Amino acid sequence: DQQVKQNSPSLSVQEGRISILNCDYTNSMFDYFLWYKKYPAEGPTFLISISSIKDKNEDGRFTVFLNKSAKHLSLHIVPSQPGDSAVYFCAASGPGGNKLVFGAGTILRVKS
Amino acid sequence: KAGVTQTPRYLIKTRGQQVTLSCSPISGHRSVSWYQQTPGQGLQFLFEYFSETQRNKGNFPGRFSGRQFSNSRSEMNVSTLELGDSALYLCASSPGTGSKAHQPQHFGDGTRLSIL
Repeated sequence: DQQVKQNSPSLSVQEGRISILNCDYTNSMFDYFLWYKKYPAEGPTFLISISSIKDKNEDGRFTVFLNKSAKHLSLHIVPSQPGDSAVYFCAASGPGGNKLVFGAGTILRVKS
Repeated sequence: KAGVTQTPRYLIKTRGQQVTLSCSPISGHRSVSWYQQTPGQGLQFLFEYFSETQRNKGNFPGRFSGRQFSNSRSEMNVSTLELGDSALYLCASSPGTGSKAHQPQHFGDGTRLSIL
């Protein structure tokens, strides 16, 4: 069963505009959520995370929003830059360890 | 600060052989996790080691095993290789100090394993 879902396989955005990537989860035991960016032939790079006790976390151009009642989180990138073009993975974990459950990823293309 | 280092980067094996992959975590990190990435199944958790003990395990057969050394370096072993084991194997480390607060995992660039 897919506990973490990224329903949009791809997203195309104009440079300078906002990119919004979405993620849904089903396991109510998840209490920590992360976003990673991945380029081909490289490992995932950590971007930003949020604990379930918060509903928003910001780091520069990246903001993650968490809606626990809807079991939904989103990553906002403002403004989007061509270098942001990559595959973005949403991941979640529960208490007691580092077992990350990943979504299938969303390919983001930022056009200049 | 050096990142997570995985060796080798590429490996070609044949069915039935066994393979050992190596991971050196970020200095000071004591938790090491392993993941398998395939086009069909995505990124899947294999296991996590902390202080030389397996702390979490994913849903993989017993052919997949690992260990961690006293310096936190980790190895994973796959025995009796099958064609379906062809994948990118990723290692990730985090402080894992035992605090209840979660900490992000940082990944290496992986070992690309191809089974012929």
